[in-house]
Amino acid sequence: EADIYQTPRYLVIGTGKKITLECSQTMGHDKMYWYQQDPGMELHLIHYSYGVNSTEKGDLSSESTVSRIRTEHFPLTLESARPSHTSQYLCASSVGQVDTQYFGPGTRLTVL
Amino acid sequence: KQEVTQIPAALSVPEGENLVLNCSFTDSAIYNLQWFRQDPGKGLTSLLLIQSSQREQTSGRLNASLDKSSGRSTLYIAASQPGDSATYLCAVDNTDKLIFGTGTRLQVFP
Repeated sequence: EADIYQTPRYLVIGTGKKITLECSQTMGHDKMYWYQQDPGMELHLIHYSYGVNSTEKGDLSSESTVSRIRTEHFPLTLESARPSHTSQYLCASSVGQVDTQYFGPGTRLTVL
Repeated sequence: KQEVTQIPAALSVPEGENLVLNCSFTDSAIYNLQWFRQDPGKGLTSLLLIQSSQREQTSGRLNASLDKSSGRSTLYIAASQPGDSATYLCAVDNTDKLIFGTGTRLQVFP
């Protein structure tokens, strides 16, 4: 089982709140990713990082931001949550193309 | 732009049947193709990874094949069990970024 953790697992908040979704991995992987998945829909990459101090936007435009100050930690922040941000957010990490991506359990976010 | 399609979208079968799930992609310039399993409300679990130079991979009752030139992959599940019930996702790796299909939702009933 992969050692990648996400907190919180579930979050219900009001519009306008600032939130940070946590993601940590203990495998020493350089590459980390954030995906957004609406119910019954495919995963879309919203952010990725190839290492410390490296962050890039993914294929799906997102109002969230990320940081990578430590190898093991890749938090995602929403400065002002809106109902349109309601979704499941999945974090993953990998060594590279010769290895799979390992996924965390996800954070299910509901913005009222 | 890479697009990944999975057929069928949903499948319901009795226990014991052999199954074939299909995945197709539009751009054959991939590094690898991966099959994942997702249980309701959970993250993804990697099942099989096929490098672009490989034709197939096997793990237990699962066998995945890759035909890069035709943009197709199949996941074969032998002797299906109720515990196999989940959504199966296919993803192709273009430059370290995975592009996912919408998945096949499988239900295996006793």
